[in-house]
Amino acid sequence: DTGVSQNPRHKITKRGQNVTFRCDPISEHNRLYWYRQTLGQGPEFLTYFQNEAQLEKSRLLSDRFSAERPKGSFSTLEIQRTEQGDSAMYLCASSFERESGELFFGEGSRLTVL
Amino acid sequence: AQSVAQPEDQVNVAEGNPLTVKCTYSVSGNPYLFWYVQYPNRGLQFLLKYITGDNLVKGSYGFEAEFNKSQTSFHLKKPSALVSDSALYFCAVRDGGTNAGKSTFGDGTTLTVKP
Repeated sequence: DTGVSQNPRHKITKRGQNVTFRCDPISEHNRLYWYRQTLGQGPEFLTYFQNEAQLEKSRLLSDRFSAERPKGSFSTLEIQRTEQGDSAMYLCASSFERESGELFFGEGSRLTVL
Repeated sequence: AQSVAQPEDQVNVAEGNPLTVKCTYSVSGNPYLFWYVQYPNRGLQFLLKYITGDNLVKGSYGFEAEFNKSQTSFHLKKPSALVSDSALYFCAVRDGGTNAGKSTFGDGTTLTVKP
């Protein structure tokens, strides 16, 4: 198993453009999480899936953010009409529901909005 | 609601000395508590967890943590620090009383171990 994989690792875009990040979790893990991390802050929860169902979404998340996990395997996080405040590291993690829930993180996708 | 506080942004210790990184938490149900470490340009890595049982839990790289229910704390400890322990450490809490999956993280503590 190669762990959690995230692509792209870095994305630079202009304000107003749409961006999409992909996450491939550990294959036997049925839960997948998205977090956002900015400098000097801990990871901030965005949303999570159990299999293909999106079970929780942060109230802080604007309607410009959407995530999918169509077949219960990989997931995508799309940000529409990006703003400079969206610049951050976007982290994906996976876990197995029946365990105690420690998260296995990917190395993140860094977004810079100019 | 659940939350984590890491009161120290930075902890400095000399190599060979014991280290403590502090964490307090708030959660409505049973606390599931975790420590993660982040090395520069690397993803977060799981270190150890408390779910139930002994209040002192042991994890990777010689780290341990002590759960204190009355003080709602889960401090990370190591008897003898190494320079290679220098990294960013995050404490996290999850409500184990429900099936909710969300973990809430503190803002992290930078540990610097000097030779």
